[in-house]
Amino acid sequence: QSALTQPPSASGSPGQSVTISCTGTSSDVGGYNFVSWYQQHPGKAPKLMISEVSKRPSGVPDRFSGSKSGNTASLTVSGLQAEDEADYYCSSYAGSYIYVFGTGTKVTVL
Amino acid sequence: EVQLVESGGGLVQPGGSLRLSCAASGFTFSRYWMHWVRQAPGEGLVWVSRIHDDGSSTTYADSVKGRFTISRDNAKNTVYLQMNDLRAEDTAVYYCASDGVAVPGTNNFDYWGQGTLVTVSS
Repeated sequence: QSALTQPPSASGSPGQSVTISCTGTSSDVGGYNFVSWYQQHPGKAPKLMISEVSKRPSGVPDRFSGSKSGNTASLTVSGLQAEDEADYYCSSYAGSYIYVFGTGTKVTVL
Repeated sequence: EVQLVESGGGLVQPGGSLRLSCAASGFTFSRYWMHWVRQAPGEGLVWVSRIHDDGSSTTYADSVKGRFTISRDNAKNTVYLQMNDLRAEDTAVYYCASDGVAVPGTNNFDYWGQGTLVTVSS
């Protein structure tokens, strides 16, 4: 149950795009289409932004998109806005009803 | 409106026990899996445990297996986490999260509570 690997930080100017990677193994990210992404502002609970690799829950702006290739999933935030500055975590199903989160990425809007 | 409200956190000595509760409202609680996720101060999210909608199946992270027990009372719309033999490394904010309420299917943490802080220290 090792954590998925994310870059510690990412940044972009308002209006630009930023992409965050989430690397696992064939036993988690690569083995299932159950990768989800969460946004967490300081002192707040996480919020589901993407489910099942690329599905956006109701109310999540379409600026947020997800994808997966092999053992690596990605979250792209297009048209960055100030309120997108937050920590982002990926999560993956790892079989046998076990789950694993990523190490987290701090996104800064310059 | 979906609400998850955790309670039961606090300061406990190493080796001690604590039971967390998470009261759910705004959805048909008995139909959905529930999870506990924790976050140590300044650290990332870590999945702790999951329970099936009828309580028939539970799973745990290796780090808590044998020490923590997840359970639920569907009549009270509440999920619990009994934590025994607590260690300093269990210090964290503990969140409960629903699975499949906002998003059809499973294996997502779609609604979260505000969290309850557990501090293990002498």
